[in-house]
Amino acid sequence: AQRVTQPEKLLSVFKGAPVELKCNYSYSGSPELFWYVQYSRQRLQLLLRHISRESIKGFTADLNKGETSFHLKKPFAQEEDSAMYYCALSGGGFQKLVFGTGTRLLVSP
Amino acid sequence: DAEITQSPRHKITETGRQVTLACHQTWNHNNMFWYRQDLGHGLRLIHYSYGVQDTNKGEVSDGYSVSRSNTEDLPLTLESAASSQTSVYFCASSGDTGSGSYEQYFGPGTRLTVT
Repeated sequence: AQRVTQPEKLLSVFKGAPVELKCNYSYSGSPELFWYVQYSRQRLQLLLRHISRESIKGFTADLNKGETSFHLKKPFAQEEDSAMYYCALSGGGFQKLVFGTGTRLLVSP
Repeated sequence: DAEITQSPRHKITETGRQVTLACHQTWNHNNMFWYRQDLGHGLRLIHYSYGVQDTNKGEVSDGYSVSRSNTEDLPLTLESAASSQTSVYFCASSGDTGSGSYEQYFGPGTRLTVT
């Protein structure tokens, strides 16, 4: 079975502080992992995917198959990063996604 | 510009009524998905389709149905609305695997309240 776990419902940090949003997954094959973000009053959108190994808006995420994790990191949080973040998994060559329960990031000035 | 739209954006209905939520995309994507978003549960897959005349059940399909008669539309029907179906519903679409893109493009959501 495919499962995505995001242990933190809320992560509150100050501007300029480092941020790490945790994501662990359960899947027996080779997964595709994604981070989606939902800003206030906006639709859900892709932030980054592990296969592209890119940095978007200063965020990075590395797939650790040994720890089955795909944590999202940013060295210096900005107020505009405040949003709901979802980790998602796709496996078996199928495009349907399994989402975690989400973490709300709140960056205070 | 290509887009994905949902209608209505807000809907209040009574228990037992049939409700249909519309989803329309102009990306020409073969793959379309319906999710519901609930506090503490994140997004859960209701139904999905990989092409015209193809429909599949997701994680929480009971009480819901979909049909895919063309590429652009995947309407979601609640056959007999229940209070447990009060939620925010999101439609999404994505291109074929051959394009190398798994990115799903989401609609703005429909907030459904069942009283």
